[in-house]
Amino acid sequence: DAMVIQNPRYQVTQFGKPVTLSCSQTLNHNVMYWYQQKSSQAPKLLFHYYDKDFNNEADTPDNFQSRRPNTSFCFLDIRSPGLGDAAMYLCATSRGTSGGDEQYFGPGTRLTVT
Amino acid sequence: GQNIDQPTEMTATEGAIVQINCTYQTSGFNGLFWYQQHAGEAPTFLSYNVLDGLEEKGRFSSFLSRSKGYSYLLLKELQMKDSASYLCAVRGNNRLAFGKGNQVVVIP
Repeated sequence: DAMVIQNPRYQVTQFGKPVTLSCSQTLNHNVMYWYQQKSSQAPKLLFHYYDKDFNNEADTPDNFQSRRPNTSFCFLDIRSPGLGDAAMYLCATSRGTSGGDEQYFGPGTRLTVT
Repeated sequence: GQNIDQPTEMTATEGAIVQINCTYQTSGFNGLFWYQQHAGEAPTFLSYNVLDGLEEKGRFSSFLSRSKGYSYLLLKELQMKDSASYLCAVRGNNRLAFGKGNQVVVIP
């Protein structure tokens, strides 16, 4: 029944140690997004894929990368996590990027950096 | 760019009505969404407005005035489970930006 799945739900990594978060979807949506959300703040869009086209936000640090090997899966790679990267990472999908194309969110992965 | 402003927190009693406001500035407006987010969970879609006026969906209604850059979400017959953050998200030039959310605390 789950539509947008994120694994793991909780991830602990060490300062500077690369980490990968994963997202999969059963909705067959064209667009997949990665957001970073810190406590009491708005979700901040890092990047999105429209099919295979990658769209990076201008202020997303180079430390954050993404891969989408197929329609169903999308990964967020953090090359050298810093303490400031501790946050909830939300994956979302949508049919398109216009009008009423609502986004469906996964449950999120809470990242802790030690 | 886009700018979205929401009040941060409000408390209301079970059974009451609460109105959550959102003001925004954007170019190329093409829709406004409301999402509900419980603590530690993902946002879930509540409503979508693209034309001026009121959209009603059960206990939740959402209003939009494009000329004023203003929307509100109305929650009726409040229940304890409605305690959550309510996020306003505005699509402008096909880019969606979220507000920080308004934390609603429902008390018995």
